[in-house]
Amino acid sequence: EVQLVESGGGLVQPGGSLRLACAASGFSFSTSEMTWVRQAPGKGLEWISYISSKSKTIYYADSVKGRFTISRDNARNSLFLQMNTLRAEDTAVYYCARGGNNNWSEFDYWGQGTLVTVSS
Amino acid sequence: QSVLPQPPSASGTPGQRVTISCSGSSSNIENNNVNWYQQLPGRTPKLLIYNNNQRPSGVPDRFSGSKSGTSASLAISGLQSEDEADYYCAAWDDSLNGVLFGGGTKLTVL
Repeated sequence: EVQLVESGGGLVQPGGSLRLACAASGFSFSTSEMTWVRQAPGKGLEWISYISSKSKTIYYADSVKGRFTISRDNARNSLFLQMNTLRAEDTAVYYCARGGNNNWSEFDYWGQGTLVTVSS
Repeated sequence: QSVLPQPPSASGTPGQRVTISCSGSSSNIENNNVNWYQQLPGRTPKLLIYNNNQRPSGVPDRFSGSKSGTSASLAISGLQSEDEADYYCAAWDDSLNGVLFGGGTKLTVL
């Protein structure tokens, strides 16, 4: 069974940092593309970052470019999101999702999400 | 363009057919495949349609997708109460080098 379990969310002050993790199991993580998507409270979905299976290709949304860093450890079946210089507008549930086999915006499995709250 | 425009709401009665539209441009919908996601209240998003009109295993054939030019649509026939959810389109954008989601459509079953 495919499982994605996010962790690392919490309350952080503006300007602070957090590191999210996503533990993957039940599939070949090392050959899968991965993505982070977030959802602000009561709002829609926002794609924020993509990483290829061997970390050779990485993309970011403009809203997080220069502040967030996506990475992965295929030996540990884990995906990470280092978030720096956090702002109130970064408050959201953060989901990790597995890229499907067919196109760049296909995400066939999602984690349950971890809530990040940026507030003083 | 930071989101693909979708109607914020849609509604129908049980058994009806409803459609949800998603608008884009040549840099996203026209030249890339569209996917649709269903998010039930309080739940994680679920892939509903991929590659414009393909259903993953387990998705009922009441759900169908289509694309024409810079627009895409999701149709739900034989509407059921459990279809009440938020629906999002998504497509890669060649100009942004990223994924654009639709703003989401809240479907109410009356």
